[in-house]
Amino acid sequence: AQTVTQSQPEMSVQEAETVTLSCTYDTSESDYYLFWYKQPPSRQMILVIRQEAYKQQNATENRFSVNFQKAAKSFSLKISDSQLGDAAMYFCAFGSGGGADGLTFGKGTHLIIQP
Amino acid sequence: GAVVSQHPSWVICKSGTSVKIECRSLDFQATTMFWYRQFPKQSLMLMATSNEGSKATYEQGVEKDKFLINHASLTLSTLTVTSAHPEDSSFYICSARVPVETPDTQYFGPGTRLTVL
Repeated sequence: AQTVTQSQPEMSVQEAETVTLSCTYDTSESDYYLFWYKQPPSRQMILVIRQEAYKQQNATENRFSVNFQKAAKSFSLKISDSQLGDAAMYFCAFGSGGGADGLTFGKGTHLIIQP
Repeated sequence: GAVVSQHPSWVICKSGTSVKIECRSLDFQATTMFWYRQFPKQSLMLMATSNEGSKATYEQGVEKDKFLINHASLTLSTLTVTSAHPEDSSFYICSARVPVETPDTQYFGPGTRLTVL
């Protein structure tokens, strides 16, 4: 079984600054995917970014990028130019089985954006 | 694209009654849907995997006779909470994977808040 650990229950950043959210995972699988999902107060889960484990290149989506360290089993999310709308819970998630398996989520990090 | 809906968004029921929650993929066919449960200020926990035309696969510790899942079509999965009790009160979220484009990625419904009195 796999585990996902997010060690930062809460993070705070000034608007326009950069913040990094940490995530580590443990698995014996060789083929897997990693995700960051955002959950605003509406509780709708929104995909932020995804990374295939076989790809060495770090995924980027506009202001969002990841630092994927496969050997260290680390998958951090960097948010550049933080905006008020980025305030939410952020969940790191692990998936395998080519998508046939459900996701394993970390406990989440509550991101606060200070104006 | 990849829109998933849930109905109802909020339901209150009396202890001992059954409640059905629907999960629909609106603009794609989903051979696999997933059901998660989220308690207040906690993370999402996978309850079961729902495959169209076959029995659902339940995670360890989830009572299959209590949480009945039916995936009768490629766009609809239902979760029925039978003989609900106050401890079943939670936020239930479904997701679906888009089988062709990004089969590994799940798109989530808006969730259903269940309160059992």
